[in-house]
Amino acid sequence: ETGVTQSPTHLIKTRGQQVTLRCSSQSGHNTVSWYQQALGQGPQFIFQYYREEENGRGNFPPRFSGLQFPNYSSELNVNALELDDSALYLCASSLDADTNTEAFFGQGTRLTVV
Amino acid sequence: AQSVTQLGSHVSVSEGALVLLRCNYSSSVPPYLFWYVQYPNQGLQLLLKYTSAATLVKGINGFEAEFKKSETSFHLTKPSAHMSDAAEYFCAVSRSSNTGKLIFGQGTTLQVKP
Repeated sequence: ETGVTQSPTHLIKTRGQQVTLRCSSQSGHNTVSWYQQALGQGPQFIFQYYREEENGRGNFPPRFSGLQFPNYSSELNVNALELDDSALYLCASSLDADTNTEAFFGQGTRLTVV
Repeated sequence: AQSVTQLGSHVSVSEGALVLLRCNYSSSVPPYLFWYVQYPNQGLQLLLKYTSAATLVKGINGFEAEFKKSETSFHLTKPSAHMSDAAEYFCAVSRSSNTGKLIFGQGTTLQVKP
């Protein structure tokens, strides 16, 4: 196990609703990255948080937003859910962005939008 | 823009046979390259990474990969497949030492037959 925990593990939401996913980073890690993995696809980078600030964003609309707390845990919020948002959401934590340290992944949250 | 192409979405080998999973990248700058493994209902685990040191990189579980700049390839190999190697494998690239910002390939499912 990596020490990165995500909650909840599974979630079912209705189209148009809002959802919050949570990630606790590994002890000592100050960087959290979020990914979306659609069924049968590779993970796609959503955004990264470093020391409570957004540190880069992928090609996702503004209804995908995030937050990092002083203890470096993080949240991913998605508003106005669409059916295509159904996916496995992964977070990865690492120590200091841009230092070539390994990023450790959590087990993910499986989101189903109906 | 950087991208990663994994040739073959499914690879099937017999137990004890050579494993070869192919990955080609496009990058305008020397890349950082990674191979991850994902078991069912789990997150991603780092197998190995190339960061411009030795071109032959050894990883966990007997896997290794060779960086070939002339071919823009980073193929993953293992001399003898075990049943426990059956999983999804992802090649990924980063343009910097920020290992949390990765671009993943589509993945290759490895099946190991008894």
